[in-house]
Amino acid sequence: AQSVTQLDSQVPVFEEAPVELRCNYSSSVSVYLFWYVQYPNQGLQLLLKYLSGSTLVESINGFEAEFNKSQTSFHLRKPSVHISDTAEYFCAVSPTGNQAGTALIFGKGTTLSVSS
Amino acid sequence: EAGVAQSPRYKIIEKRQSVAFWCNPISGHATLYWYQQILGQGPKLLIQFQNNGVVDDSQLPKDRFSAERLKGVDSTLKIQPAKLEDSAVYLCASSLDPRRTEAFFGQGTRLTVV
Repeated sequence: AQSVTQLDSQVPVFEEAPVELRCNYSSSVSVYLFWYVQYPNQGLQLLLKYLSGSTLVESINGFEAEFNKSQTSFHLRKPSVHISDTAEYFCAVSPTGNQAGTALIFGKGTTLSVSS
Repeated sequence: EAGVAQSPRYKIIEKRQSVAFWCNPISGHATLYWYQQILGQGPKLLIQFQNNGVVDDSQLPKDRFSAERLKGVDSTLKIQPAKLEDSAVYLCASSLDPRRTEAFFGQGTRLTVV
């Protein structure tokens, strides 16, 4: 079985400050890793994902996450946040290779609040 | 490309009543998921379909929840009878191929049971 722990439920930051949203996972099998974002009154949108290859993955809007297998972590970072980054962020995993068990398993989410 | 469509967006019912949610996935997506998202928590899988077959329903409370995906396209999720603890957002998602594991989510149906 897999589980995901998002270590911070709320992260308040000022605009243009750096931010890190922490995610740790537990799994007995190999997993794919994801970050989803949910803006107010909108559905979940994929922000970035790690499937294989380079452990550092980037999104089109400046976020990046690094897969650390030894620490079973997939922390999300952005060097300078904008007001528009205010949203709920979910870390998720899914097991690789097993077609029957490919559903995403989510953490509880981290609310990022960016203020001016 | 049209996204995942869900209806209704909001629903308020009394406990012990029944309710149904509808989902139309992205065209051509074989895999369809229903998730339950309780306030303050992450989404939890209720059921996964591959075409019109059930792949995983281990977390579906089968005494009151049911879901079907006739013809491998649209899907409905039903709750009968509803309990107060069923108040949540019900999310539908679809993916082209489960091995690619990129799921696209609808906006969800917010259910309030009073």
